[in-house]
Amino acid sequence: DTAVSQTPKYLVTQMGNDKSIKCEQNLGHDTMYWYKQDSKKFLKIMFSYNNKELIINETVPNRFSPKSPDKAHLNLHINSLELGDSAVYFCASSQTTFGYTFGSGTRLTVV
Amino acid sequence: QKEVEQDPGPLSVPEGAIVSLNCTYSNSAFQYFMWYRQYSRKGPELLMYTYSSGNKEDGRFTAQVDKSSKYISLFIRDSQPSDSATYLCAMRETSGSRLTFGEGTQLTVNP
Repeated sequence: DTAVSQTPKYLVTQMGNDKSIKCEQNLGHDTMYWYKQDSKKFLKIMFSYNNKELIINETVPNRFSPKSPDKAHLNLHINSLELGDSAVYFCASSQTTFGYTFGSGTRLTVV
Repeated sequence: QKEVEQDPGPLSVPEGAIVSLNCTYSNSAFQYFMWYRQYSRKGPELLMYTYSSGNKEDGRFTAQVDKSSKYISLFIRDSQPSDSATYLCAMRETSGSRLTFGEGTQLTVNP
C-alpha cells in the first residue's frame, strides 16, 4: 500500500503543452510538498500546502500552479511547458516534526 | 553561497570499507538534521534523523552533528554493494516544515 503515490511516472510532451501531475498520500499527514530535482540531483522546493492552505511558494514561474482539493491530495499543473521544465518532480508529505515521505517521482521530458 | 554544501562525488569504495559523507551549512537556525538515501529512479527515503548536536547510531549507520562547526556526517560501516545510491543531507529550522537539501553524494560500493 503506497504511502505517497504520484501519477504519471513518466511524461513526455511537446513544448507549449499543458500537463498535470497528481499526488496522493494515505499517511494522514497535514503538509504536502512539490520538489523539483534537476539533472545534478539537486532537490529544490517549489510549493508546500498545510491542510489545503498554501504555506510555501518559492520563486517559480506562474506557469506552475498547485492545487490541493483536500489534505491528502496535492496536484501540480504546468502551462505552456518549456524545455527547461524537464526534470523529475517529487511529491512529499510530512507531519510537523519529522522528515518527509517522498513519492517515487514523475520524470518529465519536454521535447 | 548555498545554505547547505555537500560534495557531489562520485565516491567509489570497495565492499567492507567505512564510508564518510559530509555536509556543511551556514544557517545557524537549523536544528533538525536528516540523511536521505536515493536509489536510481526512486524517491529519496529517510535514513537517519537527529535533533541538535550529538551522535545517533542505527545498525551500520552513524549520524553525527556538530553545530559549533556547522558540520554533519554520515558514516557507513562494512559498506555493501546495496548501499550504492545517492545520499542527501537535509536540515530544517525549529519552526516551519521546509527542508533544505544538499546536492547529494553519489556512492558506489564495489564488490
